[in-house]
Amino acid sequence: GENVEQHPSTLSVQEGDSAVIKCTYSDSASNYFPWYKQELGKRPQLIIDIRSNVGEKKDQRIAVTLNKTAKHFSLHITETQPEDSAVYFCAALHQAGTALIFGKGTTLSVSS
Amino acid sequence: KAGVTQTPRYLIKTRGQQVTLSCSPISGHRSVSWYQQTPGQGLQFLFEYFSETQRNKGNFPGRFSGRQFSNSRSEMNVSTLELGDSALYLCASSWDTRTTEAFFGQGTRLTVV
Repeated sequence: GENVEQHPSTLSVQEGDSAVIKCTYSDSASNYFPWYKQELGKRPQLIIDIRSNVGEKKDQRIAVTLNKTAKHFSLHITETQPEDSAVYFCAALHQAGTALIFGKGTTLSVSS
Repeated sequence: KAGVTQTPRYLIKTRGQQVTLSCSPISGHRSVSWYQQTPGQGLQFLFEYFSETQRNKGNFPGRFSGRQFSNSRSEMNVSTLELGDSALYLCASSWDTRTTEAFFGQGTRLTVV
């Protein structure tokens, strides 16, 4: 089945720096890749997503890139702020598009 | 528009008991997926329902089951609870998982003692 690897597991940056989180997936049939942000004690919230017919997508300080050939996708956060501190999960949509398989998460800490 | 609602928010059960969790999706959404979240394993897929049919099931024992009603509300049941079942159980709804984004509920925190 699909397997999603996410790195790094923890990431500490200074306010204003950029943060990059990388994920790889195993099933070339996966075609949808969302990113979720989960703050402590709260539900995961969708922050950006990309479909396999697109290479890059931006939304203000957040961008996602997808390399289908290499089967990896990345989340880029620029000008980080303390409120960006959270756990970030990547996911790949698998098995006829009915199962989201998640990476194990990256804990991002932004210090001011 | 109301979000995804999960009840109850917290549960404490004893080993061997069974438990039923409920998820009400966003109005109009027909797909409900369930996930188990633990510190060590992250978010693990349990199953997905669409229009009352289970379309997909993750790698969990048969003690975990679910169903979906005609109004798209879904329940999951865990029988013969084990200590290792302690986790946050999250459901996510979408119009159709295959084509649209999924939105999560707040989750049910299950503690098995």
